[in-house]
Amino acid sequence: QSALTQPASVSGSPGQSITISCTGTNSDIGNNYVSWYQQHPGRAPKLMIYDVSYRPSGVSNRFSGSKSANTASLTISGLQAEDEADYYCSAYTRINTWVFGGGTKLTVL
Amino acid sequence: EVQLVESGGGSVQPGGSLRLSCAASGFTFSDYWMHWVRQAPGKGLVWVSRIYSDGTNTIYADSVKGRFTISRDNAKNTLYLQMTSLRAEDTAVYYCARDSHYRQDHWGQGTLVTVSS
Repeated sequence: QSALTQPASVSGSPGQSITISCTGTNSDIGNNYVSWYQQHPGRAPKLMIYDVSYRPSGVSNRFSGSKSANTASLTISGLQAEDEADYYCSAYTRINTWVFGGGTKLTVL
Repeated sequence: EVQLVESGGGSVQPGGSLRLSCAASGFTFSDYWMHWVRQAPGKGLVWVSRIYSDGTNTIYADSVKGRFTISRDNAKNTLYLQMTSLRAEDTAVYYCARDSHYRQDHWGQGTLVTVSS
């Protein structure tokens, strides 16, 4: 199972919006169980988006998810310094395994 | 509050074995699937294995199939990962995570496994 494809890095200024893409196949992204995780250095991952576009309780509404064909996207609006972290997409596949993206480092300028 | 606490990591020589544990609290452990996910130093997350809530079904990533075994003891609220024939490329922080409808919704802090001669 190949990893999902994410850009290695993205950046934005405080207050701006950024979007991170995550490209896979019909067998993973196409399965519609897409999640996004935020990971600060030395910390455990935190679930930010599930089932493509749903936010867990307690996650800021500045985070949103979407999908078009076999590419999922995470958008962060009103960037804040605390958003600087690594972001990973993940998908539950049609062969009942999970696959993660390679991760994207978000820098808040 | 959901808590997952991994233990059992350490240094081991190539070809050696290690058993990781994950102690769960704050939720009904026996109701949930559980996962192991690993992260090599400076690298991304990689899914390793999943086990059903009753332990009757397990599945593994190809990279660990036949070498790692996931199991659980619902009476002790504990998840395990038995790792054998360890290789240098198994060096990573190993996280246990709770599954909630095909997503990992809570994660432990991880335990570091180093495979080196």
